[in-house]
Amino acid sequence: DTGVSQNPRHKITKRGQNVTFRCDPISEHNRLYWYRQTLGQGPEFLTYFQNEAQLEKSRLLSDRFSAERPKGSFSTLEIQRTEQGDSAMYLCASERGGGAYEQYFGPGTRLTVT
Amino acid sequence: RKEVEQDPGPFNVPEGATVAFNCTYSNSASQSFFWYRQDCRKEPKLLMSVYSSGNEDGRFTAQLNRASQYISLLIRDSKLSDSATYLCVVSSGGSYIPTFGRGTSLIVHP
Repeated sequence: DTGVSQNPRHKITKRGQNVTFRCDPISEHNRLYWYRQTLGQGPEFLTYFQNEAQLEKSRLLSDRFSAERPKGSFSTLEIQRTEQGDSAMYLCASERGGGAYEQYFGPGTRLTVT
Repeated sequence: RKEVEQDPGPFNVPEGATVAFNCTYSNSASQSFFWYRQDCRKEPKLLMSVYSSGNEDGRFTAQLNRASQYISLLIRDSKLSDSATYLCVVSSGGSYIPTFGRGTSLIVHP
């Protein structure tokens, strides 16, 4: 257990529905990352936060995706109008910051869009 | 050319064998390097950081070759429990965005 939690662990939804995932990072870590991982690939960067500020978003992140980190604590990732291509594992990672780049991952949320 | 490239394998080795993986990166400004381990259907976990001088942790040795832009991971005396996917991760100095390779699968058999 890395100390990073994600909920739900699994989500099955129908195409066109909206879904929201939550990540609770390690409490003293000020950076939080979201990744997407599909079978046989490494995690792909989606976005990251330094405290409550969203500092970078991947061009992979279409306008159907939005992420927030209110108060610099937990974060949510919302996908609107889901598509079958959104099916993947969504991973959250926590990083202390301040020059330390080691990341600690949560268990992920596995999304299946039918 | 992908930013971070790894041979996906699988590498099939007997217990006790020594196995080495390489990972090449394209951005010469890269500053931080890591190896993560990922078990089937689990999250990645940090295995070790890779320092310029190389570093060793028990049976695991990581090395960095800046001139040829690759990092390596050597596992000695392989155990069944070493079976996993090994992900190479690279970050550039000016960016806090790590780039992951697709991973190298290792299967250690009795």
